[in-house]
Amino acid sequence: QVQLVESGGGLVKPGGSLRLSCAASGFTFSDYYMSWIRQAPGKGLEWVSYISSSSSYTNYADSVKGRFTISRDNAKNSLYLQINSLRAEDTAVYYCARVLKVVTSYYFDYWGQGILVTVSS
Amino acid sequence: SYELTQPPSVSVSPGQTARITCSGDALPKKYAYWYQQKSGQAPVLVIYEDSKRPSGIPERFSGSSSGTMATLTISGAQVEDEADYYCYSTDSSGKGVFGGGTKLTVL
Repeated sequence: QVQLVESGGGLVKPGGSLRLSCAASGFTFSDYYMSWIRQAPGKGLEWVSYISSSSSYTNYADSVKGRFTISRDNAKNSLYLQINSLRAEDTAVYYCARVLKVVTSYYFDYWGQGILVTVSS
Repeated sequence: SYELTQPPSVSVSPGQTARITCSGDALPKKYAYWYQQKSGQAPVLVIYEDSKRPSGIPERFSGSSSGTMATLTISGAQVEDEADYYCYSTDSSGKGVFGGGTKLTVL
């Protein structure tokens, strides 16, 4: 069965950096686009980024562009999110999700359980 | 930036029909998707491509879309359907967009 397991979260000071990882299993990872989505405490879902199956294409939310970098290693069945210049408003649970593409859009069919990132001094 | 607008809350009694709406200017051209999120859990897809139901989702969940509004309907809502529901779509630049979420109360 499809499993997505995030790791790498924790407490970090403002201005700091963090690298989140997502280990995928139960499907052919290299066939799928992947995405990160986050949820601030008590708030709604916010799409963060996606990456194509071969890493050729990436896209980012305006709120994170220039500070976050999505990447993947298909040999290791792993997805990553490098987060730099962290701000208090980046405090959230970060989910990795498998992407299904349709002609004019894409969506998420499987999600990990999420990992908490807390930005505080 | 593109926005999807949902009511903050909807409340129904068990067995009644719950309807949650999602409005967005691009919905005539873009599919809507719906996610259910129970407290402390990851979201679960309940409707995709406006009206299709993934395997394992009860038949009481249905979706529709007309013009700039998509609707999630739960026919005969159960207590276990109490959750936050989010609509989702994409904008013209390929960025994902979630609605603000609707808290469904069934009591």
